[in-house]
Amino acid sequence: DAGVIQSPRHEVTEMGQEVTLRCKPISGHNSLFWYRQTMMRGLELLIYFNNNVPIDDSGMPEDRFSAKMPNASFSTLKIQPSEPRDSAVYFCASSLAYYNEQFFGPGTRLTVL
Amino acid sequence: AQTVTQSQPEMSVQEAETVTLSCTYDTSESDYYLFWYKQPPSRQMILVIRQEAYKQQNATENRFSVNFQKAAKSFSLKISDSQLGDAAMYFCAYRTNNAGNMLTFGGGTRLMVKP
Repeated sequence: DAGVIQSPRHEVTEMGQEVTLRCKPISGHNSLFWYRQTMMRGLELLIYFNNNVPIDDSGMPEDRFSAKMPNASFSTLKIQPSEPRDSAVYFCASSLAYYNEQFFGPGTRLTVL
Repeated sequence: AQTVTQSQPEMSVQEAETVTLSCTYDTSESDYYLFWYKQPPSRQMILVIRQEAYKQQNATENRFSVNFQKAAKSFSLKISDSQLGDAAMYFCAYRTNNAGNMLTFGGGTRLMVKP
């Protein structure tokens, strides 16, 4: 199994640009989670999906952030417009069901200049 | 809201020795899971061990074991026979069974292993 796949692994962009992070969950998993990791705030859950439906997006910091899951094998996290304070590592994780173990992807390191 | 606290930002251990990482949590729930994740420099989050709150027996995975004290809301990780590859950030995490599968993480402990 390839595990959770995230792309890109690294992204450097300028303030004001749109950024799209991508995630492919493990095949057969029906829950997907987006986390953000920063030195100041640690690991925070941004949003999670169950069967492609967003269940809880209370962790999304503001309207500049949006996430979609158009099908069971793909999700995106978009930041528009990006700001320097969005610089962080963004993780995607998936699980077989909402109550099962979460498997994490390798993360995307985002730097906004 | 649940909170998870790791009071040791950094720990150091000599290779082959034993080290214990501390974690406390706050919850009003009775049914939940606790986890320890390892994050090496590669950034990959790797599940080390899990504990169901309803189980009194402490979980063990090879050199890794936990000391789960439910009444004290304490969940420490013991690493025996430490190896250089154990050097990483370790995160304690909590998950309730009542709503979704949301993990709440502690701030992490950086473990250094000295040869």
